[in-house]
Amino acid sequence: GAVVSQHPSRVICKSGTSVKIECRSLDFQATTMFWYRQFPKQSLMLMATSNEGSKATYEQGVEKDKFLINHASLTLSTLTVTSAHPEDSSFYICSARVGLTNYGYTFGSGTRLTVV
Amino acid sequence: GDSVTQMEGPVTLSEEAFLTINCTYTATGYPSLFWYVQYPGEGLQLLLKATKADDKGSNKGFEATYRKETTSFHLEKGSVQVSDSAVYFCALNQAGTALIFGKGTTLSVSS
Repeated sequence: GAVVSQHPSRVICKSGTSVKIECRSLDFQATTMFWYRQFPKQSLMLMATSNEGSKATYEQGVEKDKFLINHASLTLSTLTVTSAHPEDSSFYICSARVGLTNYGYTFGSGTRLTVV
Repeated sequence: GDSVTQMEGPVTLSEEAFLTINCTYTATGYPSLFWYVQYPGEGLQLLLKATKADDKGSNKGFEATYRKETTSFHLEKGSVQVSDSAVYFCALNQAGTALIFGKGTTLSVSS
């Protein structure tokens, strides 16, 4: 149980275009979703926290107008990279908190974004 | 703020060797501690966790003990296998907030 499905797994886009990444909780309700970015050989950096029906809370240094997060339902959260540039190329991963415990987290399989 | 520091990799071992990956943390209060594993091309999977001091998390032959006095949560396995080759992340969180990760340690096991 507690599966998060993330799509697409890989995407290549041209500079200046926008890309949407979806994360769906398949068998539970994800009240809170976290979005991370992972650079090669580096750790996962938290980008933002989104709660269903509320505006996302962005970490310092993350451009909220560039990385649009929507969490309109308990089973779907999306990250849209707007006007993508090559420096936005990265691995993006979503994570959902399962239930109310402090340690129940599940992760999507990640999206490899390449901007050319 | 809270942070996690883990040993730099890559770690290269022969099959059946003993594994230790060091992890220390800085945090206020009493965080929960985790080890996650990321196999090539896949997302993160929870390997084990400990939620209070002196707790030992274990799974698939891996173990880690929550040491509050040394603020550490070192990952160990007595005999690694080729299939254990992956990237291992130490992480912490508090009160349902987002996980904070270390930089990850790449383990490569050869037969």
